Amino acid sequence: NAGVIQTPRHKVTGKGQEATLWCEPISGHSAVFWYRQTIVQGLEFLTYFRNQAPIDDSGMPKERFSAQMPNQSHSTLKIQSTQPQDSAVYLCASSSTGGLETLYFGSGTRLTVL
Amino acid sequence: GDQVEQSPSALSLHEGTGSALRCNFTTTMRAVQWFRKNSRGSLINLFYLASGTKENGRLKSAFDSKERYSTLHIRDAQLEDSGTYFCAAEAMGYKLTFGTGTSLLVDP
Repeated sequence: NAGVIQTPRHKVTGKGQEATLWCEPISGHSAVFWYRQTIVQGLEFLTYFRNQAPIDDSGMPKERFSAQMPNQSHSTLKIQSTQPQDSAVYLCASSSTGGLETLYFGSGTRLTVL
Repeated sequence: GDQVEQSPSALSLHEGTGSALRCNFTTTMRAVQWFRKNSRGSLINLFYLASGTKENGRLKSAFDSKERYSTLHIRDAQLEDSGTYFCAAEAMGYKLTFGTGTSLLVDP
């Protein structure tokens, strides 16, 4: 079991460019979560999928951010027109059912917007 | 919103000693999870508790939903225990609210 896999590990973009972050959940897990970690806000919930369906995106910034889960083996987080304040570590996590259970995190993608 | 207050923010231990980390919650939480951030930045699961206590080696965790707190006890600390520890609590559903972390340094 390779755990939750996130790619790339590091991404540097210029202001205004698009960034796409990838996540492969643990095989068999039906729930996928995206979190963001910054020095100022700490770890924040962004969005959640269960069985590929979006359940809650209340943590997502309303503009420029979107997440998809086209199949059970991967999810993407896309940031359009990136801004310096988007710089953060973006963490993906998965769990077996999305219920009351352990969450397994990937190593994260460190996004730096210049 | 829901808050998780984690303390201490930093802790220094001599090898072989022990201490406790604590998270207080401003609201009733259904479950708590403890993580350690490894050298690669990954959040490694330590414990998941919906109630009571769990023990794993030199680590022991407790969670009291009614009293709104959770603790992580480390005994016989080793150098490799150094790192940043986070608690994360679940109020309802699946959203975890994270504490601000405890930076633990174990020295010889």
